[in-house]
Amino acid sequence: DAGVIQSPRHEVTEMGQEVTLRCKLISGHNSLFWYRQTMMRGLELLIYFNNNVPIDDSGMPEDRFSAKMPNASFSTLKIQPSEPRDSAVYFCASSPLTPSGTIYFGEGSWLTVV
Amino acid sequence: AQSVTQLDSQVPVFEEAPVELRCNYSSSVSVYLFWYVQYPNQGLQLLLKYLSGSTLVKGINGFEAEFNKSQTSFHLRKPSVHISDTAEYFCAVRIVEADKLIFGTGTRLQVFP
Repeated sequence: DAGVIQSPRHEVTEMGQEVTLRCKLISGHNSLFWYRQTMMRGLELLIYFNNNVPIDDSGMPEDRFSAKMPNASFSTLKIQPSEPRDSAVYFCASSPLTPSGTIYFGEGSWLTVV
Repeated sequence: AQSVTQLDSQVPVFEEAPVELRCNYSSSVSVYLFWYVQYPNQGLQLLLKYLSGSTLVKGINGFEAEFNKSQTSFHLRKPSVHISDTAEYFCAVRIVEADKLIFGTGTRLQVFP
């Protein structure tokens, strides 16, 4: 089975531009997580969904960030407008809908905002 | 609220030496515990997890961890490390009734020849 698939793997964009990161869950998984990793803050949970429904978005930095799950297997994380401080690695992860289930991570999207 | 503390940000060690990476957690409810490894420019990969039962858990690549409820610890160990074990290691906790996985700040293991 394919793992969690993220795109793009790398993106360099100018400040003020819109950025869309994409994620395809592992087939059969019901929970979807977006994490951000930076040197200063480590791994931060931004938002997670269960069965396409956002459960906790308390980690979303501000209104410039939004996440959606248009269907059970796909999610997007959008930043509009982007700022240099948004530069980070963004990880998508999925798991079965049980707390004992393993969370599987994608390879990450490396975002640089200049 | 739950939290995870990894006491060492970096652990340098020579090849074939034993290593222990420390992890302590704080939670008022039952938790599941995980160790993930992140190799350079890659995502996180599960090393091992503790759900219940035996407190000694064995994972991939020769790693093991021991759950100690009284000390709220879940230290990761390997009796003999290899150069290829050089990576960032993350301890994480997930409470039994919820979904969020909370990570520690990570420990960078650097193995020298």
